[in-house]
Amino acid sequence: DAGVIQSPRHEVTEMGQEVTLRCKPISGHNSLFWYRQTMMRGLELLIYFNNNVPIDDSGMPEDRFSAKMPNASFSTLKIQPSEPRDSAVYFCASSFRGRALGDTQYFGPGTRLTVL
Amino acid sequence: QQQVKQSPQSLIVQKGGISIINCAYENTAFDYFPWYQQFPGKGPALLIAIRPDVSEKKEGRFTISFNKSAKQFSLHIMDSQPGDSATYFCAAITGGNEKLTFGTGTRLTIIP
Repeated sequence: DAGVIQSPRHEVTEMGQEVTLRCKPISGHNSLFWYRQTMMRGLELLIYFNNNVPIDDSGMPEDRFSAKMPNASFSTLKIQPSEPRDSAVYFCASSFRGRALGDTQYFGPGTRLTVL
Repeated sequence: QQQVKQSPQSLIVQKGGISIINCAYENTAFDYFPWYQQFPGKGPALLIAIRPDVSEKKEGRFTISFNKSAKQFSLHIMDSQPGDSATYFCAAITGGNEKLTFGTGTRLTIIP
């Protein structure tokens, strides 16, 4: 299995530009999560989907951030316009939500975003 | 609001020693406690997890100790090896919810 795939791995952009991060979850998984990791705030959950439906977006910082999951094998996280404080590593993770408590989340390799 | 407190922030242990990382939680609704291991440039990966109905879980050199009354749990790495050098995150989750609440992480360095 290829695991969770994220692209790009690195993104450098200028303030004000639109940034789109992409994620392909593990085949068969029905939940998808977007996290942001910074030194100051650690790992933060931004939003998660179950069966392509957004369940909880309370972690999305502000209206500049949006996420979509048009189908079971693809999700995007968009930042428009980007700001220097958005610089972070963004992780996508997926899991299979079954009846068992504590379904394992599998993380992708992350996208390192730098906003100049 | 930080619901899972993790300490220490960084830890240096000699090869062969025992590494201990502690976490404390406030929300008594948490009922599943995983630990994730993250190597530089990689995403976190599940290492070991415990449910609060047991006080200890061991997998190889890794052991979770759980104290429900104190609302604390810890990760012990026995016979620590240089390959264990990574950042470790404790986490907690509430049954019926998929949201993981992570601790702040511990950067572990094992020296020869």
